[in-house]
Amino acid sequence: AQSVAQPEDQVNVAEGNPLTVKCTYSVSGNPYLFWYVQYPNRGLQFLLKYITGDNLVKGSYGFEAEFNKSQTSFHLKKPSALVSDSALYFCAVRDTSGGYQKVTFGTGTKLQVIP
Amino acid sequence: NAGVMQNPRHLVRRRGQEARLRCSPMKGHSHVYWYRQLPEEGLKFMVYLQKENIIDESGMPKERFSAEFPKEGPSILRIQQVVRGDSAAYFCASSRSQENTGELFFGEGSRLTVL
Repeated sequence: AQSVAQPEDQVNVAEGNPLTVKCTYSVSGNPYLFWYVQYPNRGLQFLLKYITGDNLVKGSYGFEAEFNKSQTSFHLKKPSALVSDSALYFCAVRDTSGGYQKVTFGTGTKLQVIP
Repeated sequence: NAGVMQNPRHLVRRRGQEARLRCSPMKGHSHVYWYRQLPEEGLKFMVYLQKENIIDESGMPKERFSAEFPKEGPSILRIQQVVRGDSAAYFCASSRSQENTGELFFGEGSRLTVL
């Protein structure tokens, strides 16, 4: 079975500082990994994904994430946080083994960027 | 290109009534997923459908819940005899294919309140 863990319910960071939102995963085969963002009372929006290749992937709004196979992690990062980045962030995984696999989401991390 | 359309955005029902939530996927998408979001619990997979077929309903409660995606028209998530515990935000997502590398496109959600 596949699973995703987001160990922090909330992350606070000052505007202009770098931010990291943590994610670890568990799959049987190789993972496809995704990050989504949700603003209040809205649906989820896709940010970026790792499928294969370079471990550092870049996405929307200046976000990037680093795939670390040995640590089974896929942390989301941004060099300089904006107040407008404040939202709920979800990490998601899909196992590549055995054909169709549903997408499993973590419980979400609330990012608060303080002016 | 219109995104994933969900309606109603807000629905209030009394205990014992029925709730019907509708989802029209993005143009060209024939795969629909339903998720339920509860505070502190993240996004829980419910069901995955293709046109006229239920592919994976492993996340659907055994009773009172059903889903369909007819040949014509939107996908419908139906909750019979609603109880207070059904109060949640229900999100629909779509994808073009079953390809596991593809991201999901989410609607704005339907927020069900059971009185």
